[in-house]
Formats: sequence, C-alpha cells, structure tokens
Amino acid sequence: EAGVAQSPRYKIIEKRQSVAFWCNPISGHATLYWYQQILGQGPKLLIQFQNNGVVDDSQLPKDRFSAERLKGVDSTLKIQPAKLEDSAVYLCASSPRGGLDTGELFFGEGSRLTVL
Amino acid sequence: QKEVEQNSGPLSVPEGAIASLNCTYSDRVSQSFFWYRQYSGKSPELIMSIYSNGDKEDGRFTAQLNKASQYVSLLIRDSQPSDSATYLCAVGAAGNKLTFGGGTRVLVKP
Repeated sequence: EAGVAQSPRYKIIEKRQSVAFWCNPISGHATLYWYQQILGQGPKLLIQFQNNGVVDDSQLPKDRFSAERLKGVDSTLKIQPAKLEDSAVYLCASSPRGGLDTGELFFGEGSRLTVL
Repeated sequence: QKEVEQNSGPLSVPEGAIASLNCTYSDRVSQSFFWYRQYSGKSPELIMSIYSNGDKEDGRFTAQLNKASQYVSLLIRDSQPSDSATYLCAVGAAGNKLTFGGGTRVLVKP
C-alpha cells in the first residue's frame, strides 16, 4: 500500500514570496490533515478535511495560508506571503476513520520550508 | 494553557533501564490517546494507542491511562539506543481531531 506522498521535500524562499505544498493521501482515507511542526515543537494542526469539506481550520492563519482538497483526494497548502516564522516542516497526514472515533494518522515525509 | 503537556526533556536513561514518559491533557471529553515516536528528521509514527483506563502492553512498551487525573504515560522497558527519539503524546477528540503535545526527547546511553 502506497503511503502519504508529499512534495516538494525541501523549499527555500525569501520572505514575502509564496509557496505551495502538495499532498496525496493513502487511497480511500477520508480524513486529511495539515500540521505545522516548528523545530523542537510538536505538530500543530493547521487544517483538517473530511472528504473535501473543512472540519477544523481554527489555527490556520487565514490572512496568509490557504488550503484546498479537490474531489476529496489530493490537497494543496499555500502560503502567501511567507514570513520568517513560517519556517517549519509541513506534515500531511491521512486517516481511514470517520465519525466520532479517532484512529491512527499516517504521515507523509513532510515538506521542509526555510524562509530567509 | 496548552491542551497537551509533556516535559521536553531530554530524558537520559542507561541502556537496559526503564524510561518513563508523562503527559497531561486539559480536555475532559477526550476519547483516545496515542504515543507517536519521531526520529530526528523523520515523521511521527504510531507506537501505542489506548482508549480506556488502565494499562496496555505491547512488547517493551506499556501505556497507562487515568482519565480522572487526565494523565497518560508511556513506559519503555529494556531501553535500547534505537529508542532514542522524541515521543509525542497525542489526544483525540470527537470529529477525528488529534492534538499533539510538544514531545519528550529520550536519549538512551549505551
């Protein structure tokens, strides 16, 4: 079974530039998550999709971050314009469970962003 | 106030000893609890899940849950150098929402 695919693995940009990250979850997984992990910290949830609907985006800085999940499969996370504090690893994860029960999350390898 | 709290460490343990990691959470309606291991530069991977009060053992790992005290712990018996990693406590709530703690870094010394 193929895992969660993410690209690019690494990205270096200057502040005020824009960047986009792509995620392809495990086939059949209804729930998709984007987490931000700053060095030395735990992952912080940015947005959670159930199929192609947003379940939780309360911690997404909506003035600069946007995300979409087309047709309930692939997802894109965009940052525009980037700030220095956006330097982090952006982790995409998917889960087969829906409803009220939380199951295991399967993580991609992450996209490491450096903002100069 | 952080929703899921862990001691950041590092927790240094000699090889063969027991490593004890703790986690507290603030949301009383939390339903599920997980321990993820994250090696440096890698993504988190699930090592334990626990849903009801008490102990759950899986190989050298034991998870303990006390919902009344809002407390979860992980014991690693016979610690090996390969156990050196950051251990993330994660708490699940309704709607498949999973909140992570900051992680505890564990160093197992040969």
